[in-house]
Amino acid sequence: GNSVTQMEGPVTLSEEAFLTINCTYTATGYPSLFWYVQYPGEGLQLLLKATKADDKGSNKGFEATYRKETTSFHLEKGSVQVSDSAVYFCAQPLNSGGSNYKLTFGKGTLLTVNP
Amino acid sequence: NAGVTQTPKFRILKIGQSMTLQCAQDMNHNYMYWYRQDPGMGLKLIYYSVGAGITDKGEVPNGYNVSRSTTEDFPLRLELAAPSQTSVYFCASSYSINQPQHFGDGTRLSIL
Repeated sequence: GNSVTQMEGPVTLSEEAFLTINCTYTATGYPSLFWYVQYPGEGLQLLLKATKADDKGSNKGFEATYRKETTSFHLEKGSVQVSDSAVYFCAQPLNSGGSNYKLTFGKGTLLTVNP
Repeated sequence: NAGVTQTPKFRILKIGQSMTLQCAQDMNHNYMYWYRQDPGMGLKLIYYSVGAGITDKGEVPNGYNVSRSTTEDFPLRLELAAPSQTSVYFCASSYSINQPQHFGDGTRLSIL
């Protein structure tokens, strides 16, 4: 399909649990992938990115690996904290006609981490 | 370093009123974008611009207008406010489509 598909959630975890948020991308899209995070009441912030196959983006304990064989860019964190509670968006530039590309976001996954 | 600045932060409008949401960036980015985010939903692209003097429609342009007379500014105009336009509006900018977008803090708009 011509879209970015991510696990919709909501996801509720206890502190120190392992987190995975699934994201699959379009193979024919522009080869850069992003995870953004939106904390309550704020705009989106870039969390991490990868620009080619097998790249691993990482930041603040989060990781995501650009996997071409499964067209996936799953977000993982080994031990979540209450402060990680936010909405997470997967994103990829997709062609919108001719040589134009637009950054296309998944629908977002709400993560709530309880103490 | 200001980044992307949106004003106002909050606004309440009556049906049929008009207003302009301001957006300015100081990073010399070519690309600028306007999104709306409805409660519990993802982002929808309203309009975007790839440089001064160039604008194009996104997914949900109806009821909105934009202009891009300078690299720094990208205002969004609502001519006849309708309740369906109640939303949080985010402006963003990027150096290119392959570079991360930088977002403002949003404008929370209610139309009653």
